[in-house]
Amino acid sequence: NAGVTQTPKFRVLKTGQSMTLLCAQDMNHEYMYWYRQDPGMGLRLIHYSVGEGTTAKGEVPDGYNVSRLKKQNFLLGLESAAPSQTSVYFCASSPRPQGANEQFFGPGTRLTVL
Amino acid sequence: AQSVSQHNHHVILSEAASLELGCNYSYGGTVNLFWYVQYPGQHLQLLLKYFSGDPLVKGIKGFEAEFIKSKFSFNLRKPSVQWSDTAEYFCAVITDSWGKLQFGAGTQVVVTP
Repeated sequence: NAGVTQTPKFRVLKTGQSMTLLCAQDMNHEYMYWYRQDPGMGLRLIHYSVGEGTTAKGEVPDGYNVSRLKKQNFLLGLESAAPSQTSVYFCASSPRPQGANEQFFGPGTRLTVL
Repeated sequence: AQSVSQHNHHVILSEAASLELGCNYSYGGTVNLFWYVQYPGQHLQLLLKYFSGDPLVKGIKGFEAEFIKSKFSFNLRKPSVQWSDTAEYFCAVITDSWGKLQFGAGTQVVVTP
């Protein structure tokens, strides 16, 4: 099992450019999440999905869109990148949260917007 | 709004010293509590979790945490740290049925030889 993988690992964008970050999990998890990590702020939830074809907003959704067309994949899109979106992005997945289920994290994508 | 507070942003200690990291949350209902660790250049890994039962939870690598409901706290402890414990530590809480994690700001721990 690869667990949770993220593509790409690093990316540099210019302001206004667009890109898509891919998260894939091979654990047949129902729930998937996108977080951003900024110094001194911990991780903040951007969007999440409770199943194929469903998505919902998290704490900091502005400037991002997501799609979950397949159960194993969760895409995070930036339509028009801004310097404020410079961050490390982590994807996570979990079985249904009820019970002692934890989230499993991917290795992260370091994004710089110039 | 619910929040998670970690009291120390940076901690520096010597090998074999004891470690205690504070975590408080503001939510009056049922919570699920976690401590995650992020080693330099790596992704987050689960140290331990509390869902119910014994409030003293033991995790990996000799870490433990105690849930004190009356104090809304979930402090992390390790009796004797090693250089390899150098990492950033995050306390996190789930307060809803969607499993959304709310993280504290993190504590950077540096263990010197």
